[in-house]
Amino acid sequence: NAGVTQTPKFQVLKTGQSMTLQCAQDMNHNSMYWYRQDPGMGLRLIYYSASEGTTDKGEVPNGYNVSRLNKREFSLRLESAAPSQTSVYFCASSLRSGEGAETQYFGPGTRLLVL
Amino acid sequence: GENVEQHPSTLSVQEGDSAVIKCTYSDSASNYFPWYKQELGKGPQLIIDIRSNVGEKKDQRIAVTLNKTAKHFSLHITETQPEDSAVYFCAASHPALIFGKGTTLSVSS
Repeated sequence: NAGVTQTPKFQVLKTGQSMTLQCAQDMNHNSMYWYRQDPGMGLRLIYYSASEGTTDKGEVPNGYNVSRLNKREFSLRLESAAPSQTSVYFCASSLRSGEGAETQYFGPGTRLLVL
Repeated sequence: GENVEQHPSTLSVQEGDSAVIKCTYSDSASNYFPWYKQELGKGPQLIIDIRSNVGEKKDQRIAVTLNKTAKHFSLHITETQPEDSAVYFCAASHPALIFGKGTTLSVSS
């Protein structure tokens, strides 16, 4: 039982390049989330998927797209990377979201540097 | 929307002392309040949580209290140890988790 896994661990991009961050969970959770973490800013929600087939914007969605590929996998795409997207990205999952919110389990993070 | 304020931003204590971190939230409809610990280079890990129908919860050296009227909740760590050194985040859920900006706790031996 690996929990939440993320790939890659590190990535360096040039401005304008695109990339997809991958996330998978093996806990049979319904809800999945993408956060970014910047120094002094805590964790900010980018997008989330309450259940397979649904996605919703979080606090900071601009410049990102997501795909809930199936129940296990939730990817985050940067179409045209900008230096402001330099951050550490965390994926998380929970049994469900909304009323009666459950514990979120976090992956190890992807460190992204955009030059 | 929900806003979570966390204080202090840094906290230094001697081994064996107690540490207290406080958070306030703005949305009275928030009903779930977890605390996460993040060690260097790792993802956040839940250490304790509390729901709005409970005023206090304890797990060994860690306790959380919730005052719904005042809209604040606190993390208490007793008998601190060097391995407690980390960044701690509070969060409030309505329904998505909104995190505080974190407290860096340093425990010196």
